[in-house]
Amino acid sequence: KQEVTQIPAALSVPEGENLVLNCSFTDSAIYNLQWFRQDPGKGLTSLLLIQSSQREQTSGRLNASLDKSSGRSTLYIAASQPGDSATYLCAVRGDAGGTSYGKLTFGQGTILTVHP
Amino acid sequence: SQTIHQWPATLVQPVGSPLSLECTVEGTSNPNLYWYRQAAGRGLQLLFYSVGIGQISSEVPQNLSASRPQDRQFILSSKKLLLSDSGFYLCAWSARDRRIVYGYTFGSGTRLTVV
Repeated sequence: KQEVTQIPAALSVPEGENLVLNCSFTDSAIYNLQWFRQDPGKGLTSLLLIQSSQREQTSGRLNASLDKSSGRSTLYIAASQPGDSATYLCAVRGDAGGTSYGKLTFGQGTILTVHP
Repeated sequence: SQTIHQWPATLVQPVGSPLSLECTVEGTSNPNLYWYRQAAGRGLQLLFYSVGIGQISSEVPQNLSASRPQDRQFILSSKKLLLSDSGFYLCAWSARDRRIVYGYTFGSGTRLTVV
Protein backbone atom coordinates (compact mmCIF):
# COMPACT_ATOMS: atom_id res chain seq x y z
CA LYS A 1 0.00 0.00 0.00
CA GLN A 2 1.42 3.35 -1.08
CA GLU A 3 2.04 5.87 1.69
CA VAL A 4 2.98 9.49 1.09
CA THR A 5 4.56 11.67 3.75
CA GLN A 6 5.13 15.41 3.59
CA ILE A 7 7.59 17.33 5.74
CA PRO A 8 7.26 19.80 7.32
CA ALA A 9 3.57 19.83 8.27
CA ALA A 10 3.69 23.62 8.55
CA LEU A 11 6.16 26.30 7.57
CA SER A 12 6.22 30.04 8.26
CA VAL A 13 8.77 32.20 6.47
CA PRO A 14 9.35 35.88 5.76
CA GLU A 15 8.73 37.19 2.28
CA GLY A 16 11.62 36.71 -0.14
CA GLU A 17 12.98 33.47 1.26
CA ASN A 18 13.68 30.44 -0.89
CA LEU A 19 12.12 27.33 0.56
CA VAL A 20 11.89 23.58 0.06
CA LEU A 21 8.94 21.30 0.69
CA ASN A 22 9.59 17.58 0.95
CA CYS A 23 7.56 14.57 -0.11
CA SER A 24 8.43 10.90 0.28
CA PHE A 25 6.61 7.78 -0.90
CA THR A 26 7.02 4.12 0.00
CA ASP A 27 6.34 2.37 -3.33
CA SER A 28 8.62 3.45 -6.18
CA ALA A 29 6.37 1.87 -8.84
CA ILE A 30 4.75 5.15 -9.75
CA TYR A 31 3.36 6.53 -13.00
CA ASN A 32 3.80 10.19 -12.08
CA LEU A 33 3.90 12.64 -9.19
CA GLN A 34 1.85 15.80 -9.00
CA TRP A 35 2.14 18.86 -6.75
CA PHE A 36 -1.03 20.76 -5.93
CA ARG A 37 -1.88 23.96 -4.15
CA GLN A 38 -5.03 24.35 -2.07
CA ASP A 39 -6.26 27.69 -0.76
CA PRO A 40 -8.61 27.59 2.28
CA GLY A 41 -12.06 26.31 1.31
CA LYS A 42 -11.07 25.85 -2.31
CA GLY A 43 -10.34 23.03 -4.69
CA LEU A 44 -6.92 21.79 -5.76
CA THR A 45 -4.85 23.63 -8.34
CA SER A 46 -2.22 21.63 -10.15
CA LEU A 47 1.24 23.19 -9.98
CA LEU A 48 3.60 20.68 -11.52
CA LEU A 49 3.42 17.16 -12.93
CA ILE A 50 6.50 14.96 -13.15
CA GLN A 51 6.39 11.72 -15.10
CA SER A 52 8.24 8.76 -13.60
CA SER A 53 10.90 9.01 -16.32
CA GLN A 54 11.63 12.69 -15.57
CA ARG A 55 13.92 14.22 -12.97
CA GLU A 56 12.40 17.68 -12.63
CA GLN A 57 9.86 20.18 -13.86
CA THR A 58 9.87 23.96 -13.64
CA SER A 59 7.15 26.59 -13.79
CA GLY A 60 8.05 30.16 -12.98
CA ARG A 61 9.38 30.33 -9.43
CA LEU A 62 8.54 26.68 -8.80
CA ASN A 63 10.81 23.72 -9.39
CA ALA A 64 9.94 20.15 -8.54
CA SER A 65 12.39 17.27 -8.56
CA LEU A 66 11.80 13.54 -8.48
CA ASP A 67 14.13 10.77 -7.32
CA LYS A 68 12.00 7.73 -8.01
CA SER A 69 14.49 5.14 -6.75
CA SER A 70 14.75 6.75 -3.32
CA GLY A 71 11.04 7.64 -3.18
CA ARG A 72 11.51 11.38 -2.81
CA SER A 73 10.33 14.61 -4.37
CA THR A 74 10.99 18.21 -3.45
CA LEU A 75 9.16 21.39 -4.36
CA TYR A 76 11.40 24.43 -4.42
CA ILE A 77 9.81 27.88 -4.24
CA ALA A 78 12.08 30.79 -5.06
CA ALA A 79 11.65 34.30 -3.68
CA SER A 80 8.48 33.47 -1.73
CA GLN A 81 5.59 35.95 -1.66
CA PRO A 82 2.59 36.35 0.67
CA GLY A 83 0.40 35.14 -2.21
CA ASP A 84 2.19 31.78 -2.01
CA SER A 85 0.51 31.13 1.36
CA ALA A 86 -1.57 27.96 0.98
CA THR A 87 -1.49 24.22 1.63
CA TYR A 88 0.78 22.31 -0.73
CA LEU A 89 -0.11 18.72 -1.47
CA CYS A 90 2.03 16.03 -3.03
CA ALA A 91 0.24 13.16 -4.79
CA VAL A 92 1.62 10.01 -6.32
CA ARG A 93 -0.14 8.09 -9.09
CA GLY A 94 0.43 4.38 -9.03
CA ASP A 95 1.47 2.49 -12.12
CA ALA A 96 -1.54 0.30 -12.88
CA GLY A 97 0.24 -1.69 -15.56
CA GLY A 98 -1.81 -2.13 -18.72
CA THR A 99 -4.87 -0.31 -17.43
CA SER A 100 -5.33 3.44 -17.58
CA TYR A 101 -6.35 3.76 -13.98
CA GLY A 102 -3.77 4.38 -11.32
CA LYS A 103 -4.76 5.44 -7.88
CA LEU A 104 -3.67 8.90 -6.73
CA THR A 105 -2.40 8.84 -3.16
CA PHE A 106 -2.01 12.14 -1.30
CA GLY A 107 0.25 13.30 1.46
CA GLN A 108 -1.21 15.26 4.37
CA GLY A 109 0.13 18.52 3.00
CA THR A 110 2.39 21.33 4.11
CA ILE A 111 0.71 24.51 5.31
CA LEU A 112 2.83 27.42 4.10
CA THR A 113 2.57 30.94 5.49
CA VAL A 114 4.64 33.71 3.93
CA HIS A 115 4.48 36.89 5.98
CA PRO A 116 5.38 40.35 4.68
CA SER B 1 -9.66 23.39 -23.15
CA GLN B 2 -10.93 21.00 -20.53
CA THR B 3 -13.01 22.26 -17.61
CA ILE B 4 -14.68 20.55 -14.69
CA HIS B 5 -17.79 21.86 -12.99
CA GLN B 6 -19.00 20.86 -9.57
CA TRP B 7 -22.07 22.01 -7.68
CA PRO B 8 -23.36 23.13 -5.31
CA ALA B 9 -20.45 24.94 -3.68
CA THR B 10 -21.90 24.64 -0.18
CA LEU B 11 -24.68 22.55 1.28
CA VAL B 12 -26.19 22.22 4.75
CA GLN B 13 -28.39 19.17 5.15
CA PRO B 14 -30.13 17.56 8.14
CA VAL B 15 -29.27 14.06 9.28
CA GLY B 16 -31.34 11.48 7.40
CA SER B 17 -31.93 13.64 4.33
CA PRO B 18 -30.86 12.57 0.81
CA LEU B 19 -27.85 13.93 -1.05
CA SER B 20 -26.99 14.51 -4.67
CA LEU B 21 -23.77 16.18 -5.79
CA GLU B 22 -23.08 16.59 -9.49
CA CYS B 23 -19.89 16.89 -11.48
CA THR B 24 -19.51 17.43 -15.22
CA VAL B 25 -16.46 17.62 -17.45
CA GLU B 26 -16.20 19.58 -20.68
CA GLY B 27 -13.69 19.50 -23.49
CA THR B 28 -12.72 15.85 -23.29
CA SER B 29 -14.24 12.45 -23.87
CA ASN B 30 -13.90 9.09 -22.12
CA PRO B 31 -12.38 10.56 -18.97
CA ASN B 32 -11.68 8.65 -15.79
CA LEU B 33 -13.74 10.29 -13.05
CA TYR B 34 -13.18 10.36 -9.30
CA TRP B 35 -14.87 11.46 -6.08
CA TYR B 36 -12.62 12.40 -3.15
CA ARG B 37 -13.51 13.53 0.35
CA GLN B 38 -11.42 15.77 2.57
CA ALA B 39 -12.49 15.68 6.20
CA ALA B 40 -11.46 18.48 8.56
CA GLY B 41 -7.80 18.12 9.47
CA ARG B 42 -7.38 15.00 7.36
CA GLY B 43 -6.02 14.19 3.96
CA LEU B 44 -7.86 13.40 0.76
CA GLN B 45 -9.58 10.03 0.60
CA LEU B 46 -10.65 8.43 -2.67
CA LEU B 47 -14.29 7.38 -2.46
CA PHE B 48 -15.23 6.24 -5.97
CA TYR B 49 -13.73 6.08 -9.43
CA SER B 50 -15.21 5.35 -12.84
CA VAL B 51 -13.56 4.34 -16.11
CA GLY B 52 -16.78 4.43 -18.16
CA ILE B 53 -20.55 4.87 -18.22
CA GLY B 54 -22.16 2.72 -15.56
CA GLN B 55 -18.78 1.48 -14.29
CA ILE B 56 -18.24 2.43 -10.67
CA SER B 57 -15.64 1.18 -8.22
CA SER B 58 -15.81 1.92 -4.52
CA GLU B 59 -12.66 2.37 -2.50
CA VAL B 60 -14.13 2.37 0.98
CA PRO B 61 -17.38 1.04 2.47
CA GLN B 62 -19.65 3.89 3.38
CA ASN B 63 -23.05 5.50 3.32
CA LEU B 64 -22.54 6.97 -0.14
CA SER B 65 -22.98 5.77 -3.71
CA ALA B 66 -21.91 7.06 -7.10
CA SER B 67 -23.34 6.87 -10.60
CA ARG B 68 -22.18 7.80 -14.08
CA PRO B 69 -25.24 8.15 -16.31
CA GLN B 70 -23.34 9.90 -19.11
CA ASP B 71 -19.73 9.89 -20.26
CA ARG B 72 -18.88 13.24 -18.67
CA GLN B 73 -21.26 13.25 -15.71
CA PHE B 74 -20.52 11.83 -12.28
CA ILE B 75 -22.99 11.94 -9.39
CA LEU B 76 -22.43 11.32 -5.70
CA SER B 77 -25.53 10.32 -3.72
CA SER B 78 -26.82 9.22 -0.39
CA LYS B 79 -30.28 8.08 0.65
CA LYS B 80 -29.83 9.11 4.29
CA LEU B 81 -27.02 11.38 5.42
CA LEU B 82 -25.05 10.79 8.61
CA LEU B 83 -23.18 13.36 10.66
CA SER B 84 -19.95 11.64 9.64
CA ASP B 85 -20.67 12.44 5.98
CA SER B 86 -19.73 16.08 6.61
CA GLY B 87 -16.66 17.18 4.70
CA PHE B 88 -15.29 18.74 1.56
CA TYR B 89 -16.10 16.72 -1.55
CA LEU B 90 -13.97 17.00 -4.65
CA CYS B 91 -14.58 15.66 -8.11
CA ALA B 92 -11.64 15.04 -10.45
CA TRP B 93 -10.91 13.69 -13.91
CA SER B 94 -7.91 12.25 -15.69
CA ALA B 95 -7.32 11.14 -19.25
CA ARG B 96 -8.00 7.45 -19.85
CA ASP B 97 -5.37 7.23 -22.55
CA ARG B 98 -1.99 6.73 -20.87
CA ARG B 99 -0.32 8.32 -23.87
CA ILE B 100 -1.92 11.63 -22.90
CA VAL B 101 0.39 13.18 -20.35
CA TYR B 102 -2.07 14.92 -18.09
CA GLY B 103 -2.36 14.71 -14.38
CA TYR B 104 -5.52 14.89 -12.39
CA THR B 105 -7.71 18.00 -12.62
CA PHE B 106 -9.96 18.82 -9.70
CA GLY B 107 -13.20 20.72 -9.40
CA SER B 108 -13.78 23.55 -6.96
CA GLY B 109 -15.37 21.31 -4.35
CA THR B 110 -18.59 21.11 -2.33
CA ARG B 111 -18.57 21.88 1.38
CA LEU B 112 -21.19 19.58 2.96
CA THR B 113 -22.29 20.11 6.54
CA VAL B 114 -24.70 17.59 8.01
CA VAL B 115 -26.59 18.96 11.02
